[in-house]
Amino acid sequence: EDQVTQSPEALRLQEGESSSLNCSYTVSGLRGLFWYRQDPGKGPEFLFTLYSAGEEKEKERLKATLTKKESFLHITAPKPEDSATYLCAVQEVGNYGQNFVFGPGTRLSVLP
Amino acid sequence: DAGITQSPRHKVTETGTPVTLRCHQTENHRYMYWYRQDPGHGLRLIHYSYGVKDTDKGEVSDGYSVSRSKTEDFLLTLESATSSQTSVYFCAISGQGNEQFFGPGTRLTVL
Repeated sequence: EDQVTQSPEALRLQEGESSSLNCSYTVSGLRGLFWYRQDPGKGPEFLFTLYSAGEEKEKERLKATLTKKESFLHITAPKPEDSATYLCAVQEVGNYGQNFVFGPGTRLSVLP
Repeated sequence: DAGITQSPRHKVTETGTPVTLRCHQTENHRYMYWYRQDPGHGLRLIHYSYGVKDTDKGEVSDGYSVSRSKTEDFLLTLESATSSQTSVYFCAISGQGNEQFFGPGTRLTVL
């Protein structure tokens, strides 16, 4: 069964304290891995798509990396406005549509 | 949220009543999805559509039906709402079958 897990469940950082969030997945064939940011009371906001092991994407203080079993979202020198829940999702090769599986998310708090 | 709206944004209803949620897009994307988000479960797919009148079931489709008569509109119907359907519902769209873009959500409470 396809599965996506994220760790830690929650993370508290001081402003400027860099860290990484983990997304581990098990699918028979990966078509893509996606990172989203979700603020309270809002819909998920798309951040990155990664397609193959070794690929990296960057946006401001965020960098996403991908291996064959997991992805990391690295946050460099975070600011309080980076506080949000970060979701990852995987899309499996094959039956498009019902194969987007989301992880439970990591709730990030950045304290000033 | 650009290009995707959901209505209503909040709704309180009673057990046994029918409820319809609407998702409207202005992006002309082929694929549309309905998810529910609950604490401890994350986002789970209810139904999706891959074109006008073309729909299929997701992971948690029991008790829900959908319709898509126009490219821009995707309706989710709870035929007879139950308390277990209290949740936040998100619509998403996708153009080429890759990244999905989400609407602002509808918070539904079934008493």
